[in-house]
Amino acid sequence: DSGVTQTPKHLITATGQRVTLRCSPRSGDLSVYWYQQSLDQGLQFLIQYYNGEERAKGNILERFSAQQFPDLHSELNLSSLELGDSALYFCASSRGEGVPQHFGDGTRLSIL
Amino acid sequence: GIQVEQSPPDLILQEGANSTLRCNFSDSVNNLQWFHQNPWGQLINLFYIPSGTKQNGRLSATTVATERYSLLYISSSQTTDSGVYFCAVELGQGGSEKLVFGKGTKLTVNP
Repeated sequence: DSGVTQTPKHLITATGQRVTLRCSPRSGDLSVYWYQQSLDQGLQFLIQYYNGEERAKGNILERFSAQQFPDLHSELNLSSLELGDSALYFCASSRGEGVPQHFGDGTRLSIL
Repeated sequence: GIQVEQSPPDLILQEGANSTLRCNFSDSVNNLQWFHQNPWGQLINLFYIPSGTKQNGRLSATTVATERYSLLYISSSQTTDSGVYFCAVELGQGGSEKLVFGKGTKLTVNP
C-alpha cells in the first residue's frame, strides 16, 4: 500500500460528459502529480501541484484541469470527454524534490 | 525532449531464471526510479536510484549516470514477477519535477 488513495477505481461514462477524479496524497506529502497511461501514448505526466500551487505542466489538454485543496487532496477534472480519453489515470505524491514519487492504484476511465 | 529507451520490449522466462533489463536515457537527469506494474495495473516502486547500486531481495539495480543508463537485475524469477517494468527519469528543478517514463519491458515468467 503506497498510502496514496485514488477514487473512484473505475469510471464508465459517455462522450461529451465531465468527470472528476480524486486523489489523497500520503500523509506529509506536499506534492501531487497526475499521470495518464494510455495504450498509444504510454505513461505521460500531466500536471504537478505543490502545497496548493501549480508547479509544472506537461501534456495536459485544455479540456482537463486540476487543483490542490488546502487539505492537500487533489482533483483532476476532465470535460467534453472523447473516446481517446479512455485511460488509466494515476496520482502520485512526494515530499518534494530529491525523493521518490509514490503512486496510487489509479482510476480506470472508460468512455463509451 | 529527453528520450528514455528500455530493452528488451518483451521477455519470457522460465521460473528460476535470471534476467537483466536495461534503461538508456539521452540527457542528464536528477533521479531515476524503477517500477513494476502488476497485472492489476498497480505501479509498485522498486528502486529510487540516481546513481550506484541498490539491492532488495532478489532484485538489484545499478545506475551509471555518467553513461546515462540503468540496469535492473532479477534473479531466480518467480511467476509473481510477471508484469511490466518501467524506468522513469526525473526532470525539473526548483520544486518543479516530473517523471518521464520509458515504454516498459513486459516480463512473463512461466512456471
